[in-house]
Amino acid sequence: DAGVIQSPRHEVTEMGQEVTLRCKPISGHDYLFWYRQTMMRGLELLIYFNNNVPIDDSGMPEDRFSAKMPNASFSTLKIQPSEPRDSAVYFCASSLGSSGGYPSQETQYFGPGTRLLVL
Amino acid sequence: DQQVKQNSPSLSVQEGRISILNCDYTNSMFDYFLWYKKYPAEGPTFLISISSIKDKNEDGRFTVFLNKSAKHLSLHIVPSQPGDSAVYFCAASGNNQGGKLIFGQGTELSVKP
Repeated sequence: DAGVIQSPRHEVTEMGQEVTLRCKPISGHDYLFWYRQTMMRGLELLIYFNNNVPIDDSGMPEDRFSAKMPNASFSTLKIQPSEPRDSAVYFCASSLGSSGGYPSQETQYFGPGTRLLVL
Repeated sequence: DQQVKQNSPSLSVQEGRISILNCDYTNSMFDYFLWYKKYPAEGPTFLISISSIKDKNEDGRFTVFLNKSAKHLSLHIVPSQPGDSAVYFCAASGNNQGGKLIFGQGTELSVKP
């Protein structure tokens, strides 16, 4: 398996522009997560999906951020309009559903991340 | 409010010595803890985990210790190798968290030859 695939790997844009980050999870995984990494706060969970349904979006910073998962093999995270403070590395991760424990006990597999710079 | 805290942003250790990375948490409902390792330009990868019914879990050179009363866990790497140089994130979850992991800020470990 190719693992979790993210695109683009790097994105430089100007303030006010729309940014779309893409993710292809590992085939067969039930859960998909979007994280943001910053120096100050480390890895923050933005939103996660179970079987394509958003379960918890309490980490989404504000209405400028939105995420969709139209099918089991694709998800997007969109920022519109983007601001300089959105500059960070954004990770997508996927995991299997629970195999006896509960879902967060399953290993999450991360993609390589998208490094976003908003000027 | 940071529920999982790694208070040391960086740690430098000599090759062959022990590396000790620390993590504190505030939520007493957390009952499962993990460590992830991250190399530059890559995503984090799972390293080791521990359930709250245990106080120690060992996997080769890596051992995680859990002190529930102090709400503290630590990762020991013995002996440390230059290839262990990476950012280490601790994470926590609870049965009431669904699929959610709460991560700390990370500690950058540098192992010098």
